[in-house]
Amino acid sequence: NAGVTQTPKFQVLKTGQSMTLQCAQDMNHEYMSWYRQDPGMGLRLIHYSVGAGITDQGEVPNGYNVSRSTTEDFPLRLLSAAPSQTSVYFCASSPRHPSPLHFGNGTRLTVT
Amino acid sequence: DQQVKQNSPSLSVQEGRISILNCDYTNSMFDYFLWYKKYPAEGPTFLISISSIKDKNEDGRFTVFLNKSAKHLSLHIVPSQPGDSAVYFCAAKYNFNKFYFGSGTKLNVKP
Repeated sequence: NAGVTQTPKFQVLKTGQSMTLQCAQDMNHEYMSWYRQDPGMGLRLIHYSVGAGITDQGEVPNGYNVSRSTTEDFPLRLLSAAPSQTSVYFCASSPRHPSPLHFGNGTRLTVT
Repeated sequence: DQQVKQNSPSLSVQEGRISILNCDYTNSMFDYFLWYKKYPAEGPTFLISISSIKDKNEDGRFTVFLNKSAKHLSLHIVPSQPGDSAVYFCAAKYNFNKFYFGSGTKLNVKP
């Protein structure tokens, strides 16, 4: 049982480049979300989805896009990378609320 | 504006003693609270939860207390073990599973 799988584990981008962070879960969870972790800031919600075809913004959505075409996958797209997006990104999923989130192991992104 | 705050960035405790981690929140609509543990280079792992209709929940060495009037949450670990050394995050939600997280407390349990 893989749980929540994130790829890649590490990525370095130049300012202005775009990329997609992948997230997949095999637990048939309806709810999926993306967080970023920055020193002293904890985990902040970027975007979330309550089911296939439904997405919404979290606390810090600017500069990111998401889509949810299947229950399993929830990719996060950086449209034009900026140094302020240097962070560790975590994908999480859960069954219907209230339930704890299950997290992936993160993607460490550096934008130079 | 952070809705969930952990005001102690770090805590050091001797093995076998009690560790108490604290968390304050501002939104009275929060109805479900969690604690997560995080080791370096790993994702956060769920530790214990509590609903707003309760004031205490226990799971082995871990107990979470909720004081709604003070908008305060705490995690007690008894007895503390060196393997408990990690960063602990509290989190709260009031809508779907949109959780708001604190900034974390790094616990160091000394042998």
